[in-house]
Amino acid sequence: SQTIHQWPATLVQPVGSPLSLECTVEGTSNPNLYWYRQAAGRGLQLLFYSVGIGQISSEVPQNLSASRPQDRQFILSSKKLLLSDSGFYLCAWSRRGFTDTQYFGPGTRLTVL
Amino acid sequence: AQTVTQSQPEMSVQEAETVTLSCTYDTSESDYYLFWYKQPPSRQMILVIRQEAYKQQNATENRFSVNFQKAAKSFSLKISDSQLGDAAMYFCAYRSDEKETSGSRLTFGEGTQLTVNP
Repeated sequence: SQTIHQWPATLVQPVGSPLSLECTVEGTSNPNLYWYRQAAGRGLQLLFYSVGIGQISSEVPQNLSASRPQDRQFILSSKKLLLSDSGFYLCAWSRRGFTDTQYFGPGTRLTVL
Repeated sequence: AQTVTQSQPEMSVQEAETVTLSCTYDTSESDYYLFWYKQPPSRQMILVIRQEAYKQQNATENRFSVNFQKAAKSFSLKISDSQLGDAAMYFCAYRSDEKETSGSRLTFGEGTQLTVNP
């Protein structure tokens, strides 16, 4: 069966510090991968998605970036965090080539102080 | 661009009763997919049910069922025999037909917080 992991679960960072959030998927190959952000009490906003290694598409302009160095690894990064980057970050995967469902990881709660 | 609207920020239901959560969406596409996700206090997003737009039959999953009205662009979720564990934030989501280079992006509504009273 497929599982998706995210770490860290919780992170508190000062403004201006770098960020690296990691997501990995097990039990499948060549998945589509997604990064979402959820502000408190709000819906999810798609930040990035990837259909393959090294292929990243950005949905919204921001100071965040994403990378996919391996087939089942998706990384969300920032060189300098802003207060507005605080939120809950969710990674998701779906089967590529299938009109299928997205499955979400447990999420990372990021607080920028 | 597609939009998804959930007009009920909060709903409550008595245990064992039935509740319906509303969702409307706006799209010019004919082929698409609709989903309901549940987010409990742990904040992990859990798939509840999905509906393909080309199917006229409403999807059902145990106590969960949908009322899909394609012409009205409406997609409501009915929870029967509500249980305390159903208490969560519920999100309606829309997805276009998957395209090779664009992935299967989801557009979410703002959510409905469901409270189940014992």
